[in-house]
Amino acid sequence: TQLLEQSPQFLSIQEGENLTVYCNSSSVFSSLQWYRQEPGEGPVLLVTVVTGGEVKKLKRLTFQFGDARKDSSLHITAAQPGDTGLYLCAGAKGNEKLTFGTGTRLTIIP
Amino acid sequence: NAGVTQTPKFQVLKTGQSMTLQCAQDMNHNSMYWYRQDPGMGLRLIYYSASEGTTDKGEVPNGYNVSRLNKREFSLRLESAAPSQTSVYFCATRPGQGGGYTFGSGTRLTVV
Repeated sequence: TQLLEQSPQFLSIQEGENLTVYCNSSSVFSSLQWYRQEPGEGPVLLVTVVTGGEVKKLKRLTFQFGDARKDSSLHITAAQPGDTGLYLCAGAKGNEKLTFGTGTRLTIIP
Repeated sequence: NAGVTQTPKFQVLKTGQSMTLQCAQDMNHNSMYWYRQDPGMGLRLIYYSASEGTTDKGEVPNGYNVSRLNKREFSLRLESAAPSQTSVYFCATRPGQGGGYTFGSGTRLTVV
């Protein structure tokens, strides 16, 4: 059973466009993290959100944690080829280990 | 640079062979993890170690064993490799509650 569902699974858009990817669960998480993974490398942490309704910005990336702490979204403004990669969300309950979603594979076309 | 080092980066095994994947971290973190990543399946936890001297099973432990040699090192052993264990294996560490994971660059294992 996959606790975290990410959508879409694949996304290919032109450089300069905006996009949003989603991470949804029926479970409540105490915190949620987003990672980006490039080919041949391990995932790299982008952000951690811990409060329901929290919004964090990282340059052109905006992360939001749902009010009920069951879902999250990642919005990218004016996408660039360097944004290409696999985006993974991961949720934690208390001090437990993380549960990862299956990821969204994003391709930005120059 | 501080981080997580995994060896080897690539390995091909024949069915039934054994091998150990090595992982070392220089971040002075207590917790260490082994994950496997398969297409469409995401990252699945194999084993983890909350601190030196302790290990626990994750979601998919069958066919694997681990050793937490000391605070820095956490190894993953395949005693009798099977084709179903073909995957990319990642080691990770985290500083504590709420902390983000730092991953190694992975070991790509093929079992033929």
